[in-house]
Amino acid sequence: GAGVSQTPSNKVTEKGKYVELRCDPISGHTALYWYRQSLGQGPEFLIYFQGTGAADDSGLPNDRFFAVRPEGSVSTLKIQRTERGDSAVYLCASSSNPGTEAFFGQGTRLTVV
Amino acid sequence: TQLLEQSPQFLSIQEGENLTVYCNSSSVFSSLQWYRQEPGEGPVLLVTVVTGGEVKKLKRLTFQFGDARKDSSLHITAAQPGDTGLYLCAGAASNTGKLIFGQGTTLQVKP
Repeated sequence: GAGVSQTPSNKVTEKGKYVELRCDPISGHTALYWYRQSLGQGPEFLIYFQGTGAADDSGLPNDRFFAVRPEGSVSTLKIQRTERGDSAVYLCASSSNPGTEAFFGQGTRLTVV
Repeated sequence: TQLLEQSPQFLSIQEGENLTVYCNSSSVFSSLQWYRQEPGEGPVLLVTVVTGGEVKKLKRLTFQFGDARKDSSLHITAAQPGDTGLYLCAGAASNTGKLIFGQGTTLQVKP
């Protein structure tokens, strides 16, 4: 596609369940970023991939959060044992090279009940 | 920890008024970006400022980067209802492209 695609758009899950959020970056973009945004706040950095490797995962809040990008394209953010505090919009962005303009997807709204 | 303080957090004005949004930090950034975000969408880049003292104009929007590259402002002239949205500043700390966002300014322009 022409832009960054995130699926699903919305996800409602029960506390304690496992969820996977998918990001399809713009074709050819080597840098991929995950952010989390709470209502009325700015996005908060989670993790950055350059190619297949996680170059900076300093924003992951704890070990329940994990992300992969096995072939350097699609990325999956995985959350184990979800908690109500994990409820937020999870945004993915990609750029052709680190430091160049990043394009954001529309986000996945995660609600943990 | 690098932080960006954005103010005001909420602004409600009448069509035709001018406004300024501020973004301040104690840290130096290699560049600073301004985004606009609509409900249910991701942020969309408006402008990137790189050089201290730089001023960029985008129609009725004027962006300024502080001389020390720690602060920035967004000025909108003659605001229109179509300007309504969440405005975000973000600092790029290094060549990784990792962005540190401010908390955002929700702008409401009433017709």
